[in-house]
Amino acid sequence: GNSVTQMEGPVTLSEEAFLTINCTYTATGYPSLFWYVQYPGEGLQLLLKATKADDKGSNKGFEATYRKETTSFHLEKGSVQVSDSAVYFCALSEAGRRALTFGSGTRLQVQP
Amino acid sequence: NAGVTQTPKFRILKIGQSMTLQCTQDMNHNYMYWYRQDPGMGLKLIYYSVGAGITDKGEVPNGYNVSRSTTEDFPLRLELAAPSQTSVYFCASSGSTITYEQYFGPGTRLTVT
Repeated sequence: GNSVTQMEGPVTLSEEAFLTINCTYTATGYPSLFWYVQYPGEGLQLLLKATKADDKGSNKGFEATYRKETTSFHLEKGSVQVSDSAVYFCALSEAGRRALTFGSGTRLQVQP
Repeated sequence: NAGVTQTPKFRILKIGQSMTLQCTQDMNHNYMYWYRQDPGMGLKLIYYSVGAGITDKGEVPNGYNVSRSTTEDFPLRLELAAPSQTSVYFCASSGSTITYEQYFGPGTRLTVT
């Protein structure tokens, strides 16, 4: 079956530091890949997505590239802010099966 | 522009009680989902629906029931609540797009004691 593996948190960074959150996946087909963000006390919001190999999703300074050869979709940001503190979830959906498979989430804490 | 709304936000149940979690979306999406999120874990799919009158089980359906009588509403019913059902419940919806991205409600935090 499908699965998503994320690096464990929490990840603690100082403001303006570089962020990488690793995500790898297992899927039988050609999934679409997503990063969702969950701010404290809120539901999940779509951060970015990629639908095919070598696509790069980007939003709000965050980027992730769909790497089929390494089955990875790592999230990066060049300079984090305190307001980026949240839990980040990597997820996939496979063609013909709309439900998302989520990773366990990575908590990011950014200190001023 | 409400999106996906859920009620209640918080609820405490005693073991054996029942309740219904409400979910409504105003985006005319055909697909709706219920997930649960346990502490430190990702979301697990409970039930989903591909349209009014059609529902199917997800990963963890035991102890829950759903119905979908309209496009907008997708209530989740807990019968005979157990402590193992203490969790945060999220409803989501998606339209007929190729990428299947989902839109989430704010969640219901349920405690069973």
